[in-house]
Amino acid sequence: AQKITQTQPGMFVQEKEAVTLDCTYDTSDPSYGLFWYKQPSSGEMIFLIYQGSYDQQNATEGRYSLNFQKARKSANLVISASQLGDSAMYFCAMSDTNAGKSTFGDGTTLTVKP
Amino acid sequence: ETGVTQTPRHLVMGMTNKKSLKCEQHLGHNAMYWYKQSAKKPLELMFVYNFKEQTENNSVPSRFSPECPNSSHLFLHLHTLQPEDSALYLCASSQEPQGASYGYTFGSGTRLTVV
Repeated sequence: AQKITQTQPGMFVQEKEAVTLDCTYDTSDPSYGLFWYKQPSSGEMIFLIYQGSYDQQNATEGRYSLNFQKARKSANLVISASQLGDSAMYFCAMSDTNAGKSTFGDGTTLTVKP
Repeated sequence: ETGVTQTPRHLVMGMTNKKSLKCEQHLGHNAMYWYKQSAKKPLELMFVYNFKEQTENNSVPSRFSPECPNSSHLFLHLHTLQPEDSALYLCASSQEPQGASYGYTFGSGTRLTVV
């Protein structure tokens, strides 16, 4: 069975600073995908970044990067140069490409301070 | 319209009512999903449709009945709900099953309150 763990219920960061949101996962499948989503207070979940289990390089999308450490089973999200609009709930998720199931973590609430 | 559109945004219903949630996507995606998001609980996958065929029913009670008439539309029919069914119901779509590489595109959700 897949499991996603996000140990930080809430995080604070000063505007323009970088922040790391932690995510660890557990799976016995060799092929899987890891995702991060952002959920503002409006409710819509927004896809941010994807990392495949066989990808050699860490994924990057603009100010978002995924620090993928396969041996430690961690997939931390790094947001550089935080903006006030980054305040939201962030979810780490895993997709098992073989069995076709997706699992989400409990989420981390990020608050960016001016 | 682009993206995934869910209606209504908010719904209050009694336990004996029958209502339906609607989801529509104009992205050309082949897979659509219903998720339930309750307070203090992780997202729960409810149903998955690939090419209009249901491929996943995650032990959802029969008072929730999905319908996928075509690859662009997904409904969730509700009847005889319980107060614990109050939650945010999110619809999502993906280009391939489980959003293997491209992730999901989510709608804004329907905030359901059962009274």
